[in-house]
Amino acid sequence: NAGVTQTPKFRVLKTGQSMTLLCAQDMNHEYMYWYRQDPGMGLRLIHYSVGEGTTAKGEVPDGYNVSRLKKQNFLLGLESAAPSQTSVYFCATSRLSYEQYFGPGTRLTVT
Amino acid sequence: SQQGEEDPQALSIQEGENATMNCSYKTSINNLQWYRQNSGRGLVHLILIRSNEREKHSGRLRVTLDTSKKSSSLLITASRAADTASYFCAGSNFGNEKLTFGTGTRLTIIP
Repeated sequence: NAGVTQTPKFRVLKTGQSMTLLCAQDMNHEYMYWYRQDPGMGLRLIHYSVGEGTTAKGEVPDGYNVSRLKKQNFLLGLESAAPSQTSVYFCATSRLSYEQYFGPGTRLTVT
Repeated sequence: SQQGEEDPQALSIQEGENATMNCSYKTSINNLQWYRQNSGRGLVHLILIRSNEREKHSGRLRVTLDTSKKSSSLLITASRAADTASYFCAGSNFGNEKLTFGTGTRLTIIP
C-alpha cells in the first residue's frame, strides 16, 4: 500500500500562475486535510474534507480552493500564486477523529 | 492561531539521556496527540492521549496530560541519534474533525 502520496514533490511558479496539488490515499479514510508549513509556524490547516463531495475552510483558506470528487483524492488549487504562498504543503488523512497520516510534502516556491 | 506551544523550541542532549518536551494549549480538547517530523519529511504519529487520561506509555515514550493546566509533556527515555527530529503536539477539539498544531520542539541527539 502506498498510504498517502502527493504530486508533485517540488514546483516553482511565477507570480500569477496557477497550479493544482494532488493528494491520493489508499487507506479508505473519510477525512482528508491540506496544511502548509512555514519556518517557525508549525502546521496550519488550509482546507479539509470529512467525506467525498464535502469541503470546509481551515485556519488559512484565502487564495486556495479544494475539491474532493472522489473519496481517495483531495485536490488543492492555487488560482493566482503569490510569493506569500511559498511553503511546504502537506496532505493528511484520518479515520474519523483519530491519528492523521501524512504525505511526504510538496515544496512550492513562488517567484 | 496556534492551539499549542511547545517548550523548549530547541533541545540538544547527549545520546542515552532523557528528553522532555512540554506543550501548552489554549482551549479545551478532546484528545492531544504528539507527532515527529524528520527533516524534509511528513509528520508521523507517535501517541494519542484522551482528555480523561493522565498518562500514557508507548515503548520509550511517556506522555502526560494535565487538563486543569492545559498542558502536556512528552518524555523520550534513553535517547538515540535516530530520535533527532522536530516534535509537535496537536489538540483535537470537541467535534473532532480538526487538529491544531503547535510550533514544535527541535530535538538534537548528540552521539
